[in-house]
Amino acid sequence: QQQVKQSPQSLIVQKGGISIINCAYENTAFDYFPWYQQFPGKGPALLIAIRPDVSEKKEGRFTISFNKSAKQFSLHIMDSQPGDSATYFCAARGGGSNYKLTFGKGTLLTVNP
Amino acid sequence: GAGVSQSPSNKVTEKGKDVELRCDPISGHTALYWYRQSLGQGLEFLIYFQGNSAPDKSGLPSDRFSAERTGGSVSTLTIQRTQQEDSAVYLCASRPIAGVFTFGPGTRLTVL
Repeated sequence: QQQVKQSPQSLIVQKGGISIINCAYENTAFDYFPWYQQFPGKGPALLIAIRPDVSEKKEGRFTISFNKSAKQFSLHIMDSQPGDSATYFCAARGGGSNYKLTFGKGTLLTVNP
Repeated sequence: GAGVSQSPSNKVTEKGKDVELRCDPISGHTALYWYRQSLGQGLEFLIYFQGNSAPDKSGLPSDRFSAERTGGSVSTLTIQRTQQEDSAVYLCASRPIAGVFTFGPGTRLTVL
């Protein structure tokens, strides 16, 4: 059972465009939703995160939109740059004392110059 | 060091051999996690250590996999009798109390 579904698997965007990656979850106990960015040969690094009591969070060019009723959240990268080319993972953390992260399968983003 | 370190960075082994992968978490981080990253499969949870509590082993795929964490710091993931399907990148992460995960660079395991 895949608890966090991520789409698309890959995405190609032109420099300056908007990149949008979507995730859907099933477990309503999840209480924290981070996005991770991973470059080749490196471990994933936290990019931005949101809690379910907030519908949107923005940090620079990166925005998370969260729809609790639909159990969906998405990452928007504005003014995409070639340096943003990486694999992006959404994740969800179990509620209460359960601090495990469940990850989506990742999206390979390529930003063409 | 400032981050999570893992060793070796790459490991090539023959089918049937045992391997040990090491993780040095950030000093003071009470929680330590192992994840496996296979091509196109995202990150798969393996095991979670929190302080002196019993580890959560619910993600270990078979009894060939085991892990320990000595003195609440360094952790070793052991895979016995390796199989080709064990080939993956093994990622370690640590976390302070109620804090965010920090991942290490991973160990790429190739089983021939």
